[in-house]
Amino acid sequence: KAGVTQTPRYLIKTRGQQVTLSCSPISGHRSVSWYQQTPGQGLQFLFEYFSETQRNKGNFPGRFSGRQFSNSRSEMNVSTLELGDSALYLCASSFGTTNNEQFFGPGTRLTVL
Amino acid sequence: EDQVTQSPEALRLQEGESSSLNCSYTVSGLRGLFWYRQDPGKGPEFLFTLYSAGEEKEKERLKATLTKKESFLHITAPKPEDSATYLCAVQATGGSYIPTFGRGTSLIVHP
Repeated sequence: KAGVTQTPRYLIKTRGQQVTLSCSPISGHRSVSWYQQTPGQGLQFLFEYFSETQRNKGNFPGRFSGRQFSNSRSEMNVSTLELGDSALYLCASSFGTTNNEQFFGPGTRLTVL
Repeated sequence: EDQVTQSPEALRLQEGESSSLNCSYTVSGLRGLFWYRQDPGKGPEFLFTLYSAGEEKEKERLKATLTKKESFLHITAPKPEDSATYLCAVQATGGSYIPTFGRGTSLIVHP
């Protein structure tokens, strides 16, 4: 079974630009969660989608948004990039609604200059 | 607010030197506690889920245990390939199913 895939793996952007990251969950998984990981803050929850609906949202500004498509693939968008947005962005999928076993993708390393 | 504290932040062991990593947590009610392993440049890899105090799970050289306030990840006779960051996360009852992660313990096993 293929794992969670994320594209692109690496991105370099400048302040003020916007970026879109993509995540393809494991086949059959309907829940997709996004996390931001930085050395200073660790893993922080961004949002979760289940069956195309945002089910939960973390404490991030409105510049961070996401969506999920009917095939469970998900995208997240960050607008008006700031230097502090440099991080590893991780996507995790799980089969059911309880997230008791999340499978993570390799992440997208975003660098904002 | 749910809190997860992992200790130590970093641990260096010699190959074969057994040790334990600690994850202490504060939640109103525990639905589940998770352990993950993360290699540099990769996403976390799921290891275990524990649901109730007294529960234990094992996988190769790893054994996870759970009490009402903390969890331990015991590493028996570690090998260099066990070097990684180990993350603990808790999921609380009554609300969202979003886990709260600790900062992790960076483990280096020297040959």
